[in-house]
Amino acid sequence: GIQVEQSPPDLILQEGANSTLRCNFSDSVNNLQWFHQNPWGQLINLFYIPSGTKQNGRLSATTVATERYSLLYISSSQTTDSGVYFCAVENYGQNFVFGPGTRLSVLP
Amino acid sequence: ETGVTQSPTHLIKTRGQQVTLRCSSQSGHNTVSWYQQALGQGPQFIFQYYREEENGRGNFPPRFSGLQFPNYSSELNVNALELDDSALYLCASSPWSGTGELFFGEGSRLTVL
Repeated sequence: GIQVEQSPPDLILQEGANSTLRCNFSDSVNNLQWFHQNPWGQLINLFYIPSGTKQNGRLSATTVATERYSLLYISSSQTTDSGVYFCAVENYGQNFVFGPGTRLSVLP
Repeated sequence: ETGVTQSPTHLIKTRGQQVTLRCSSQSGHNTVSWYQQALGQGPQFIFQYYREEENGRGNFPPRFSGLQFPNYSSELNVNALELDDSALYLCASSPWSGTGELFFGEGSRLTVL
């Protein structure tokens, strides 16, 4: 089945810094989502982005489907951005497969 | 618009018992998927239900079973609980089978002693 890798596994930032999270996948996909898991466990949708670029406030994402990767950019990070960020991909009718996540800690 | 809701939020069981977790899908969604998330890992796909039938299953034993009802709500049943079943169980709904964006509930945290 499709493999999903995320990097870095852990990231510590000072408040106000910018960061880039990466998601690599091993096969072509028709769906890709980025999620933020809050401390209570809920997965919050950030982006549904099988291709192209999207922006939502301080967050933006780019997926280059032909090169099998997606990037999540966080600018001017805040302590509330802390948590685990997951990339999940779907391979044409199969189930969504999640990466191992990037654990982000934003220090005040 | 009502989001995905799950119950119970927390529960404790002992090894060998059975558990039922419940999920109400988001309004307008007819597909429900269940995921298991062990501590420190990404969610793992258990199965998906579409129009009251199982529509895909991950690498989980038969003691993990499910149902979907005519109102698109769903149940996850786990028999003969094992210690390794301790995890966060997440339900997601989507507008259609296989191609839809996933929307997750808050999860049910199961502890097996």
